[in-house]
Amino acid sequence: QVHLVQSGAEVKKPGSSVRVSCKASGGTFSTFTISWVRQAPGQGLEWMGGIVPIFGTPTYARKVQGRVTITADESTSTAYMELSSLRSEDSATYFCASGGDCGGDCFVYRFDYWGQGTLVTVSS
Amino acid sequence: DIQMTQSPSSLSASVGDRVTITCQASHDITNYLNWFQQKPGKAPKLLIDDASNLKTGVPPRFSGSGSGTDFTFTISSLQPEDVATYFCQQYDDFPYTFGQGTKLEIK
Repeated sequence: QVHLVQSGAEVKKPGSSVRVSCKASGGTFSTFTISWVRQAPGQGLEWMGGIVPIFGTPTYARKVQGRVTITADESTSTAYMELSSLRSEDSATYFCASGGDCGGDCFVYRFDYWGQGTLVTVSS
Repeated sequence: DIQMTQSPSSLSASVGDRVTITCQASHDITNYLNWFQQKPGKAPKLLIDDASNLKTGVPPRFSGSGSGTDFTFTISSLQPEDVATYFCQQYDDFPYTFGQGTKLEIK
């Protein structure tokens, strides 16, 4: 059973950056698909991007491309999402999600397991 | 980007009712469609993937159907614990996109 544990809530100033971590357990992290999804208060879900650690090259949504960096550290089974040039509309709960071991289809990101969410508040 | 149009945005039904939510994709996504349930303050929970594959441990009153651009999610007999917001999501092409959500309440 895959388990994802995220870092704690953050309060950031506009223009600054935030890094959220997602530590995985219960499987072979290097072949996990890992996605980052955010949800503004009372709003819907937005996929931001993802990574398969063994490949190393992330995929980003155009809306946040240029401001988001997704990485994965295989030595600690931890994925990271860093968002820069923060603005008030980036205030949201950020989730990591994984399908676990991607098996023979590592080009499709799955969403069987989710972290608990990390609230990021951007405020001056 | 593929647009996912989900309806209705909200729904009120009685315990035991059959409930149906639809999701329409702006492009053919074959069967690359997820359905999630989200309760307040919690992460989404995957109920169905590949349009109709019920995930392990999910009650059989939940089902999904469709392919191409038109999809349906059904609860055959609504239970009080099904109060939640439901989202569809396509994973045929990046960026993966979600429907706007359907807030389900008990009448």
